[in-house]
Amino acid sequence: GQQVMQIPQYQHVQEGEDFTTYCNSSTTLSNIQWYKQRPGGHPVFLIQLVKSGEVKKQKRLTFQFGEAKKNSSLHITATQTTDVGTYFCGGGSSASKIIFGSGTRLSIRP
Amino acid sequence: GAGVSQSPSNKVTEKGKDVELRCDPISGHTALYWYRQSLGQGLEFLIYFQGNSAPDKSGLPSDRFSAERTGGSVSTLTIQRTQQEDSAVYLCASSLGQTQYFGPGTRLLVL
Repeated sequence: GQQVMQIPQYQHVQEGEDFTTYCNSSTTLSNIQWYKQRPGGHPVFLIQLVKSGEVKKQKRLTFQFGEAKKNSSLHITATQTTDVGTYFCGGGSSASKIIFGSGTRLSIRP
Repeated sequence: GAGVSQSPSNKVTEKGKDVELRCDPISGHTALYWYRQSLGQGLEFLIYFQGNSAPDKSGLPSDRFSAERTGGSVSTLTIQRTQQEDSAVYLCASSLGQTQYFGPGTRLLVL
């Protein structure tokens, strides 16, 4: 069945440094979504990418969808303490079910 | 409602007992999902309801787990004969399109 792998599992950075998490699917996706879960909270939708090679930006966050629609990345420029949390990617198939990656937990040294 | 709600927020039970977890999705959302999240872990898909179609039960870990969705709205996840390894946060999400809106979860502890 479809699998979505996400790396790294953990990332600890100094405040101000950049951060990137990568998501890889075993099958071609119809779309990919990114969610953020703050410690003690529930996942909150960030963005959805649909087109091959698509790049979207939200302030310091840059999201990319690979040309083959099998991988994606989230890059945060100049991290801030408010960026702390776990970032999940979710791969959407044509059947509308989303398979989530295991998440990347970001912690930040002030 | 304003968002997805779940009840109870916390549940402590004894091994072997049955539990029922409830999810109230956002009004009008046709899709409803249940996930399990163990401490510090990712989102484990359990079951997916879409409209009146037969649910996708492919993620249920054993036959002790079942779920139903009445009237295309409220859903109940039932765990029979609970085991300690069932302890986790159970998250419900609903959607109209592809974006999922998560509830606050039910934290289940099996002693």
